[in-house]
Amino acid sequence: QQQVKQSPQSLIVQKGGISIINCAYENTAFDYFPWYQQFPGKGPALLIAIRPDVSEKKEGRFTISFNKSAKQFSLHIMDSQPGDSATYFCAASMTGGYQKVTFGTGTKLQVIP
Amino acid sequence: DTGVSQNPRHKITKRGQNVTFRCDPISEHNRLYWYRQTLGQGPEFLTYFQNEAQLEKSRLLSDRFSAERPKGSFSTLEIQRTEQGDSAMYLCASSLLDEKLFFGSGTQLSVL
Repeated sequence: QQQVKQSPQSLIVQKGGISIINCAYENTAFDYFPWYQQFPGKGPALLIAIRPDVSEKKEGRFTISFNKSAKQFSLHIMDSQPGDSATYFCAASMTGGYQKVTFGTGTKLQVIP
Repeated sequence: DTGVSQNPRHKITKRGQNVTFRCDPISEHNRLYWYRQTLGQGPEFLTYFQNEAQLEKSRLLSDRFSAERPKGSFSTLEIQRTEQGDSAMYLCASSLLDEKLFFGSGTQLSVL
């Protein structure tokens, strides 16, 4: 059962453009939604996260938009740079207890000069 | 703080052999997780420790898999009688009390 669905599978964006990755979740008990960035040969690293009590969170060039009623959230990367080329995973978990994080299937982003 | 350390980085083994991986979490982190990641997929939860207690195991963790965390410090993940389907990246993560997981670089297992 795939509880977090992510799209697109891959994305090519020109330098300076906006990268947009979308995710949808099924379990309404999820209340913490992080995004992880993974470079080849490395483990995922937390990039930015949001809770459902806000509709948007911005950190530098990275913004999460959250739509609780639609059970959807997205990552926007403004002014995309070649160094942003990586695989991005959306994820979801429930606070309280421990963090059994459920990941999406990933989006491979390539930013071309 | 040197981050989460995993050894070995790569392991090639023959089908039927046993393998063991080690994870050293960030020193003050009391929570430790094992995940498995196959090519083109997101990490999948395997098991969770709080201190030395193993509190949850995924259905993905067959009886050939065993994990330990003696003394609540480092952890080991052993796979007995490896199968080709076990080929994957095995990731360890640790956290303190909040939701932020810190992942190691993983152990890439190839079963021939």
